[in-house]
Amino acid sequence: QVQLVESGGGVVQPGRSLRLSCAASGLMFSDFGMHWVRQPPGKGLEWVAIISYDGKNIYYADSVKGRFTISRDNSKNTLYLQLNSLRTEDTAIYYCANGIAAAATPGYWGQGTLVTVSA
Amino acid sequence: QSALTQPASVSGSPGQSITISCTGTSSDVGTYNFVSWYQQHPGKAPKLMIYEVTNRPSGISDRFSGSKSGNTAYLTISGLQAEDEAHYYCSSFTTSRTHVFGGGTKVTVL
Repeated sequence: QVQLVESGGGVVQPGRSLRLSCAASGLMFSDFGMHWVRQPPGKGLEWVAIISYDGKNIYYADSVKGRFTISRDNSKNTLYLQLNSLRTEDTAIYYCANGIAAAATPGYWGQGTLVTVSA
Repeated sequence: QSALTQPASVSGSPGQSITISCTGTSSDVGTYNFVSWYQQHPGKAPKLMIYEVTNRPSGISDRFSGSKSGNTAYLTISGLQAEDEAHYYCSSFTTSRTHVFGGGTKVTVL
């Protein structure tokens, strides 16, 4: 069965950096576009970024553009999100999800990793 | 990239049908048939219930159905059951090749 396992979350001060990972198994990782989606505690979902199956096409939400970088290593079946210049409003659970169907709709989701940005 | 608009809450009695709306713009819902719906129980990851407006992934009950008219998409839950109580989020592909979510709707089974 498909498994997506996020890691790398934690408590970090404003302005610092963090790298999240998403390890995939049970699917042909290199066939799928991959998303990061976040959810602040007690709030709704916010789409963050998508990377195509081959890493050549990348799109970001305006709220993270220029600060976050999505990447992937198909040889390791792993997706990454580099978070730089972190702000308190970046505090959230970060989920990875694989993209399905024509528009790479977020399909299967991992359980998430919590990032807390606090002084 | 403004969020799609959903009602904050919808409620119904067991066995009834409810419908959740999701209003976007001509830059997202109105242009593409790439609207999806997610169910999220407390403390759990979201689960895909509907994609491409009307399609159900394998294993999703046919009590869940989707539709769209203009800039608004709809999720209908028929034969409401206690386990349907959860938050529901819509999402759409956009003309900027990004994705956008709605603010979420809490469904309460009375």
